[in-house]
Amino acid sequence: QQPVQSPQAVILREGEDAVINCSSSKALYSVHWYRQKHGEAPVFLMILLKGGEQMRHEKISASFNEKKQQSSLYLTASQLSYSGTYFCGTEYAGTYKYIFGTGTRLKVLA
Amino acid sequence: EAGVAQSPRYKIIEKRQSVAFWCNPISGHATLYWYQQILGQGPKLLIQFQNNGVVDDSQLPKDRFSAERLKGVDSTLKIQPAKLEDSAVYLCASSSTRGQGTDTQYFGPGTRLTVL
Repeated sequence: QQPVQSPQAVILREGEDAVINCSSSKALYSVHWYRQKHGEAPVFLMILLKGGEQMRHEKISASFNEKKQQSSLYLTASQLSYSGTYFCGTEYAGTYKYIFGTGTRLKVLA
Repeated sequence: EAGVAQSPRYKIIEKRQSVAFWCNPISGHATLYWYQQILGQGPKLLIQFQNNGVVDDSQLPKDRFSAERLKGVDSTLKIQPAKLEDSAVYLCASSSTRGQGTDTQYFGPGTRLTVL
């Protein structure tokens, strides 16, 4: 079953913060975050493993809540270049099945 | 380091025709993935290879889609015959080992297929 991301879309002004959530109904082993710009392939941002630490990529960080089976992506002081669609890619515990989430469209305005 | 290469970048065909896509992964990457991404949706895994063996093809519509990875390097994905609902971007990705949770998948630019 596909992980659900929220919100589906968000519009920000440059410098504002945003949080994107990725929730699974099954136990997760890992969560990967990607950003995809229009007409381009997804680009890897970071990986979070079960039991692992919060990760950071420039001003973007992410966490993994095992109790909730949810990962959150935190974008602080957003830049115009952050615009795109963010996907979580999840690997379920006990399997190697890899499924992408529903996606969150993020638009940063000047 | 060269990235994942795919060709063609664009393809327009009539329904019921056949089409093939080619992917060359990053050198040394054992795992290769084919995804279908319909406009506005996330990528959907079609098939995953580990070297030249199939690891997961549970979402591949086997009545019309086929894929192979000869010699554990390049791969081709074929659709025969194509349907209107096959219109999508077909992404190829590769990683160094088989989906161990720490693997980063590197994506190619994709092939945009339009079925008329």
